[in-house]
Amino acid sequence: AQSVTQPDIHITVSEGASLELRCNYSYGATPYLFWYVQSPGQGLQLLLKYFSGDTLVQGIKGFEAEFKRSQSSFNLRKPSVHWSDAAEYFCAVGTSYGKLTFGQGTILTVHP
Amino acid sequence: NAGVMQNPRHLVRRRGQEARLRCSPMKGHSHVYWYRQLPEEGLKFMVYLQKENIIDESGMPKERFSAEFPKEGPSILRIQQVVRGDSAAYFCASSPPPSETQYFGPGTRLLVL
Repeated sequence: AQSVTQPDIHITVSEGASLELRCNYSYGATPYLFWYVQSPGQGLQLLLKYFSGDTLVQGIKGFEAEFKRSQSSFNLRKPSVHWSDAAEYFCAVGTSYGKLTFGQGTILTVHP
Repeated sequence: NAGVMQNPRHLVRRRGQEARLRCSPMKGHSHVYWYRQLPEEGLKFMVYLQKENIIDESGMPKERFSAEFPKEGPSILRIQQVVRGDSAAYFCASSPPPSETQYFGPGTRLLVL
């Protein structure tokens, strides 16, 4: 069975600083990997996804993620964080027919 | 193109009542997924449906919970005889075939008193 671990429950960064959110997955086959963002009281918005090909994927809002098969990781990065990026971020692994398994989430706080 | 729609956005029920949550997928999407987010937890898969078929219900509690996606109309997640532990946010997602990227609705927040 697949699983996802997000080791950091809460991360605080200053506005303008760089950001990296960690995600490790366990899945027997080639994974479909996703990052979603959730603002309080809202649904989930897709930031980016990896299915195959280039291991560095670009997403919306200036986010990118790198798939590293040897480390079973799919870390999310952003070079300069904006106050509006404060939210909860979820990494997920998907099966071929779409069932998603989510990590526990990482809450991002941005200080001015 | 409207996104995934869920209603109601908030639902309050007393213990023992029934809760019906509705999900209208995006236009052209024939795959629907339901997830539950308990307080302080991530999202957990509940069920995957295609039109008139339940494909995977491995995440559904064995009792009191059911889901359907009829040929016409929205998908319905039904919870009978609700208990306080059912209080959670319930999210619906849809995808086009083949099912890869899922698009999420705003969720229904269920509160059981």
